[in-house]
Amino acid sequence: DSGVTQTPKHLITATGQRVTLRCSPRSGDLSVYWYQQSLDQGLQFLIQYYNGEERAKGNILERFSAQQFPDLHSELNLSSLELGDSALYFCASSSYNYGYTFGSGTRLTVV
Amino acid sequence: TQLLEQSPQFLSIQEGENLTVYCNSSSVFSSLQWYRQEPGEGPVLLVTVVTGGEVKKLKRLTFQFGDARKDSSLHITAAQPGDTGLYLCAGLRPAGTALIFGKGTTLSVSS
Repeated sequence: DSGVTQTPKHLITATGQRVTLRCSPRSGDLSVYWYQQSLDQGLQFLIQYYNGEERAKGNILERFSAQQFPDLHSELNLSSLELGDSALYFCASSSYNYGYTFGSGTRLTVV
Repeated sequence: TQLLEQSPQFLSIQEGENLTVYCNSSSVFSSLQWYRQEPGEGPVLLVTVVTGGEVKKLKRLTFQFGDARKDSSLHITAAQPGDTGLYLCAGLRPAGTALIFGKGTTLSVSS
């Protein structure tokens, strides 16, 4: 157990639908990062939150959004889903800029 | 264009062999990390290097950060089946706050 909890582990949904992925960071970590992993693109940075505030944005689509709540857990919302959104979505947390702790990921399948 | 290029993409070797995995970029990084990922799990941090020319050893694994902080290598001595996995390098740009990942090297060690 890495200390970072992601739910659900698997998600199957239809095109056009909206889903919410949840992440609880490791105790004490203020930063939360979301990454998308696909076979052809590898791990792509989506967005970072630090203590409730958005810190950095990567290759995140406009259909995707995220937030970090006062208790530091984070949610990634994916809407108007397309087949190409099927991927592994990872959440990671850190206390400093070195050393991320990753969760086990959510495998999203859009059918 | 991938900011961090890893090579080789795939490596299949016999137990006891030595190997080196490379992570190259034309950009400077303030730090570079190596992660190992197993199927169905998130990446796990192996090491962080921050100083140009730095060499770190972790049992049979040796990590080196290039003098110009643009590249890194991972050398495994006497590989074992337990070393099988996806090895990812990740760098932090000087003005960045989120790690950029390479696409990884998939290592398979057979007995």
